[in-house]
Amino acid sequence: VQLVESGGGLIQPGGSLRLSCAASGFSVSSNFMSWVRQAPGKGLEWVSVIYSGGVSYYTESVRGRFTLSRDNSKNSIYLQMNSLRVEDTAVYYCARGQKYVGGPGHFDSWGQGTLVTVSS
Amino acid sequence: DIVMTQSPVSLPVTPGEPAAISCRSSRSLLHSNGKNYLDWYVQKPGQSPQLLIYLGSNRASGVPDRFSGSGSGTDFTLEISRVEAEDVGVYYCMQGLQLAVTFGGGTKVEIK
Repeated sequence: VQLVESGGGLIQPGGSLRLSCAASGFSVSSNFMSWVRQAPGKGLEWVSVIYSGGVSYYTESVRGRFTLSRDNSKNSIYLQMNSLRVEDTAVYYCARGQKYVGGPGHFDSWGQGTLVTVSS
Repeated sequence: DIVMTQSPVSLPVTPGEPAAISCRSSRSLLHSNGKNYLDWYVQKPGQSPQLLIYLGSNRASGVPDRFSGSGSGTDFTLEISRVEAEDVGVYYCMQGLQLAVTFGGGTKVEIK
């Protein structure tokens, strides 16, 4: 199982970026997939999730600005980030989830992360 | 959102000695199926987080048996029976019950 993120970089406030997460060793459509971010020197914050059925959810601070999508043919997920803010600066990790009955579940595999810096 | 609170924030440990980290949730993580939806992760220096314990007390694949998780409802503990130098890092608890999963603030384990 391997997850490889890409697409991070330096962007001005208000700009857009698209993060990619390429998976190998399993099918992204069979598990739930999430993005988790970590601001510099801070803890972990869940950002978004897409379930096997294709439904996605977002943390309140990014709802309406970020969009999570999946391409089964490329075995990848993507995070389109618009209207970026300084407070979105973080390392963004892609993670594979194992679902619990009646709940989201845990993350059993993580990528190496990609750094997004929002600054003028 | 469910708030996760960890203590201590920093934990200096002596190799070979035991260590314990506490995690408290703002609501019960005990599901009606009898399982506690609480997981533990460790982020070693310069690395991505990795799963240690899931469903409160189940060690993830490859995790040494010196790590154990216990607790139920709102109070949980991660114990390391004998700390080794490779165990340094930041340990996080996470609730997997509510859609918007939330993490504790982290406990930094360092060698004395």
